[in-house]
Amino acid sequence: GAVVSQHPSWVICKSGTSVKIECRSLDFQATTMFWYRQFPKQSLMLMATSNEGSKATYEQGVEKDKFLINHASLTLSTLTVTSAHPEDSSFYICSASHILGGYTFGSGTRLTVV
Amino acid sequence: GENVEQHPSTLSVQEGDSAVIKCTYSDSASNYFPWYKQELGKRPQLIIDIRSNVGEKKDQRIAVTLNKTAKHFSLHITETQPEDSAVYFCAASQANSGYALNFGKGTSLLVTP
Repeated sequence: GAVVSQHPSWVICKSGTSVKIECRSLDFQATTMFWYRQFPKQSLMLMATSNEGSKATYEQGVEKDKFLINHASLTLSTLTVTSAHPEDSSFYICSASHILGGYTFGSGTRLTVV
Repeated sequence: GENVEQHPSTLSVQEGDSAVIKCTYSDSASNYFPWYKQELGKRPQLIIDIRSNVGEKKDQRIAVTLNKTAKHFSLHITETQPEDSAVYFCAASQANSGYALNFGKGTSLLVTP
């Protein structure tokens, strides 16, 4: 149980374009979804927390207008990187908290902006 | 907010030896302390976790200890094997309260045959 499906697993986009990353909870309701970014050889850094039906809460230093998060249903949360630049190239990963008290991670998305 | 410190950043041991990774946390309200193993380009994989009402937990070659008073917890891997080589992250959170996991900076473990 407690599976989070994340797509795409990797994406290459041109500078200035937007990219959408989806995370779906397959067998449970993810009332809260967390979005992390991980640069090479670094730790997972929390970008934002989203709750179903409400606006996301962004961590300090994360631009909410650049990283758009939508959590319109209990099973789907999306992160859109708008006007992507090479410095946005990173590993993006979602994590859902569930009622059993644990956290389930998506498989991650490797974003490369060229 | 929660601040998790992790040491060492790199650890090299010989196969069969034990490895110990230590973490400290700052928020006394944290009650959930998982350890993750992450291989390159993959999601973190939960290897063991402990909650604040328990002082120690063991699963075969892996054990975690928690000292709530000192706010530190440790991962112990015994009889290490080359396949244990990976990056390990500790984390802390207030589980069931809508709080995210806060991660340590990671330890790159190398087990040499």
